[in-house]
Amino acid sequence: KNEVEQSPQNLTAQEGEFITINCSYSVGISALHWLQQHPGGGIVSLFMLSSGKKKHGRLIATINIQEKHSSLHITASHPRDSAVYICAVDRDKVIFGPGTSLSVIP
Amino acid sequence: DGGITQSPKYLFRKEGQNVTLSCEQNLNHDAMYWYRQDPGQGLRLIYYSQIVNDFQKGDIAEGYSVSREKKESFPLTVTSAQKNPTAFYLCASRGDQPQHFGDGTRLSIL
Repeated sequence: KNEVEQSPQNLTAQEGEFITINCSYSVGISALHWLQQHPGGGIVSLFMLSSGKKKHGRLIATINIQEKHSSLHITASHPRDSAVYICAVDRDKVIFGPGTSLSVIP
Repeated sequence: DGGITQSPKYLFRKEGQNVTLSCEQNLNHDAMYWYRQDPGQGLRLIYYSQIVNDFQKGDIAEGYSVSREKKESFPLTVTSAQKNPTAFYLCASRGDQPQHFGDGTRLSIL
């Protein structure tokens, strides 16, 4: 069993839809990251969470430490949101999830 | 602005050749990391260094080597012993705050 799991693995949405990507982990952590990777591109850090909820523009990230679960929400999705979204947990080293590939269709 | 610079963005290598990927940071971070990403898979740790002149193997270190002679620099050499070097390579660094990431280098074998 992987220490960090994400669901769904792939996601296709219509422009404007509300999107949720889930991350669950099985180890103790000090923080959790949500990262965005565009095709052929590098990785951008979206959020770093250790508790509660953070919002940046149309993106919202939540974490439940007791349940070892985090969600990334995208409101009013747009084709430019199409990317791979990666959950990563921070311990003495970072452990990455497998990523969720999102495609937003106009 | 502070950040991590990886170069080049795309790199091609002939079979049997060693190649070195550059990673430089101006964040004054003590720790630096190299990860590898294969299509459809998550990032895996190759090597990491928590202080100058010291480094440790990660989960997939075979066929790779690193050095950490300066705090700012953590180059990764992909040796000819690495059987399947074609991948996306990502460098990261960490200080008091959690990790910063470079833009990555995509290595392909000719």
